[in-house]
Amino acid sequence: AQSVTQPDIHITVSEGASLELRCNYSYGATPYLFWYVQSPGQGLQLLLKYFSGDTLVQGIKGFEAEFKRSQSSFNLRKPSVHWSDAAEYFCAVGALGNDMRFGAGTRLTVKP
Amino acid sequence: SAVISQKPSRDICQRGTSLTIQCQVDSQVTMMFWYRQQPGQSLTLIATANQGSEATYESGFVIDKFPISRPNLTFSTLTVSNMSPEDSSIYLCSVTLPGQGYEQYFGPGTRLTVT
Repeated sequence: AQSVTQPDIHITVSEGASLELRCNYSYGATPYLFWYVQSPGQGLQLLLKYFSGDTLVQGIKGFEAEFKRSQSSFNLRKPSVHWSDAAEYFCAVGALGNDMRFGAGTRLTVKP
Repeated sequence: SAVISQKPSRDICQRGTSLTIQCQVDSQVTMMFWYRQQPGQSLTLIATANQGSEATYESGFVIDKFPISRPNLTFSTLTVSNMSPEDSSIYLCSVTLPGQGYEQYFGPGTRLTVT
């Protein structure tokens, strides 16, 4: 079965600084990869996804992620963080049959 | 995407009672799921809600505790039965949409507190 590791439980960055959130997955075949964001008291919103093709994918809110098969990684990046980006971020890996597994999440704090 | 609503948005319940959570989608979906998110934790899949048949439960979750119904393509309910404080969590429904691959879209969640 697939699994996901998000090594960073909590990250703090200054507003305007760049951001990278790490995600490593384990799956025997080509995975379907996702990043979701959860603001306090809210459900999960899909930021971006990777199924195949170009390994650099663009998402909403200025986020992008890069799939690196050799490193089993799918890190999320943003060049300039805004205060409104403060939230919990979840990486997820899916497989056939819509079986999806979520990482533990990374909480992002943005300093003014 | 689709608009997914859940009722209630939050509730405080006494131990030993049951709560039924509703999930309504404004368009037809292919699959519906129920997740639990315990305080400060990630999401854990409870079950896949199958239209017109019994739900498919994940290891550690049983029908007697979490009965699920899905009478049509756009509606499902999850009941949390005989609640204890350990059931205090956010419960989320999610769906996949026709022709949109494997990504899941989530409802806003139901925050349950059991006292």
